[in-house]
Amino acid sequence: DAKTTQPTSMDCAEGRAANLPCNHSTISGNEYVYWYRQIHSQGPQYIIHGLKNNETNEMASLIITEDRKSSTLILPHATLRDTAVYYCIGAGAQKLVFGQGTRLTINP
Amino acid sequence: NAGVMQNPRHLVRRRGQEARLRCSPMKGHSHVYWYRQLPEEGLKFMVYLQKENIIDESGMPKERFSAEFPKEGPSILRIQQVVRGDSAAYFCASSPGAREAYGYTFGSGTRLTVV
Repeated sequence: DAKTTQPTSMDCAEGRAANLPCNHSTISGNEYVYWYRQIHSQGPQYIIHGLKNNETNEMASLIITEDRKSSTLILPHATLRDTAVYYCIGAGAQKLVFGQGTRLTINP
Repeated sequence: NAGVMQNPRHLVRRRGQEARLRCSPMKGHSHVYWYRQLPEEGLKFMVYLQKENIIDESGMPKERFSAEFPKEGPSILRIQQVVRGDSAAYFCASSPGAREAYGYTFGSGTRLTVV
């Protein structure tokens, strides 16, 4: 699994876009970039994943650089309920390995 | 469409007792993963199972811990002779397959407290 690097914490104002960066310079060609979040002590929640192309769903957008060494998760209009720890994971066929993630705090 | 079901939600055991944690994957999912989260720490992979097979148990402690995913019924994580250090949240996830494109769906977890 690729090693990922994320900022320890970030703040964002409610209603603004939250942009969470992730470096994964050792990611291999067949490894996807996954994003999960964990709100308080709940089970992790899947957000989005991608391989090469940018992806968008109802929760977020994922922008992956052309060289695949980094990506950005975008929450377009952050709400207080988006306060959580966000995990970026580079993974292949089997297990997902979680790092420390980014603690995102949305401020009113 | 029920998600991943874990029970019990909370489990209290005295030191030396056994703890059995159950996980029913989503319908149609044949791959199960167990993770442990110690207080104020991140999620640590424990074991990956398919029906009747252990695929990767590289994160399982060498003693007292075992896991199974029988042909019928839920996956079970079993901890024998529990100690205080086993107190943690245990999360189960399932996926339809092991291919890279599949994300996991997690359950709500079992909080184990050893007294």
